[in-house]
Amino acid sequence: EAGVAQSPRYKIIEKRQSVAFWCNPISGHATLYWYQQILGQGPKLLIQFQNNGVVDDSQLPKDRFSAERLKGVDSTLKIQPAKLEDSAVYLCASSLGTGENEQFFGPGTRLTVL
Amino acid sequence: GENVEQHPSTLSVQEGDSAVIKCTYSDSASNYFPWYKQELGKRPQLIIDIRSNVGEKKDQRIAVTLNKTAKHFSLHITETQPEDSAVYFCAASEGGFKTIFGAGTRLFVKA
Repeated sequence: EAGVAQSPRYKIIEKRQSVAFWCNPISGHATLYWYQQILGQGPKLLIQFQNNGVVDDSQLPKDRFSAERLKGVDSTLKIQPAKLEDSAVYLCASSLGTGENEQFFGPGTRLTVL
Repeated sequence: GENVEQHPSTLSVQEGDSAVIKCTYSDSASNYFPWYKQELGKRPQLIIDIRSNVGEKKDQRIAVTLNKTAKHFSLHITETQPEDSAVYFCAASEGGFKTIFGAGTRLFVKA
């Protein structure tokens, strides 16, 4: 079975620029997560979708970050404008449901903000 | 806010020895505790998980224990092998919601 796909794998931008990341979850997985993983730290949940609805975005910096999951499948995460401290790996994960299900992670997008 | 603390941050053991990683959580509503292994440059992968109605779970060389009263849970790896070298993350969630990860433990297994 195909895993979680993410693109791009790497992105370098200057501060104040905009960037967007794309995620395609495992087919049939209803729940999709976006995490931010800063070097040397654990993943931090930014937003969690159940189908195309948001179930948790309490840690999403909404003044600059936005995410959507149209049609309950693919998702995009956008940062506008980027700050130096946004440099991190952005991981997308998916799971069958919102219960106690294994989360399957994508390869991540490494963002460097100069 | 809610928090998961993980210790130690780095652990070095000799091949064949056991390794223990400990986590504490603050949200008393947490009821699902997965452990993920992340090899260098790769994505996190689930290795074992435990639910709040269970005190211990074992899968071959890996075991996890949970003390709900003390809000502690631990990962035990026995007979460690060089391929166990990686970063291990504990996490806590409320039935799959509000997942919070620990900061990670970098495990080195020396041959």
